[in-house]
Amino acid sequence: GAGVSQSPSNKVTEKGKDVELRCDPISGHTALYWYRQSLGQGLEFLIYFQGNSAPDKSGLPSDRFSAERTGGSVSTLTIQRTQQEDSAVYLCASSAGGGLEQYFGPGTRLTVT
Amino acid sequence: KQEVTQIPAALSVPEGENLVLNCSFTDSAIYNLQWFRQDPGKGLTSLLLIQSSQREQTSGRLNASLDKSSGRSTLYIAASQPGDSATYLCAAPSGSARQLTFGSGTQLTVLP
Repeated sequence: GAGVSQSPSNKVTEKGKDVELRCDPISGHTALYWYRQSLGQGLEFLIYFQGNSAPDKSGLPSDRFSAERTGGSVSTLTIQRTQQEDSAVYLCASSAGGGLEQYFGPGTRLTVT
Repeated sequence: KQEVTQIPAALSVPEGENLVLNCSFTDSAIYNLQWFRQDPGKGLTSLLLIQSSQREQTSGRLNASLDKSSGRSTLYIAASQPGDSATYLCAAPSGSARQLTFGSGTQLTVLP
């Protein structure tokens, strides 16, 4: 079956612009996670969805970051007024439930110039 | 707060060798532990997941062990091949969301 997909695969944007990153989880997976992988910081957790609700937003680095999930499926991570330090690979993962095995998408490489 | 450490940071071995990658974690109250592989410029591929009730999990030439009491996990790769060259990451769930806390990875190079 289809795995986790993310789009776009690459995004180059100018500082100050807004960007939207999309994640399509594995069908039927209720839990969805966003992570960020940047040089020098490793992989860090951003936000978790159970269904359409986000009970844990503790990893979002600033109020410029927001995310939503609709229909218990697709999720969008939005970064407003992008800064150069936002440059990273943004990874999405889904699982059949919180705490179960997580499956990752290929990531979106964001470059802010 | 969960902290995950991986040793060594990099490893280079000749083809055919057996090798062990190490992972340690600070909070032993984990539900499971996952090992991943990451190829350059790619996402993460799940290799093995060990439940807290298990001590070992095997998949082909890979064997992962888990010792919660000592806060350690190892990934054993038998008869290494050049195609095994990648970065290997271990991750333990933490927090109410069971989000994964990752180690910094071991970059493995298998020389033909």
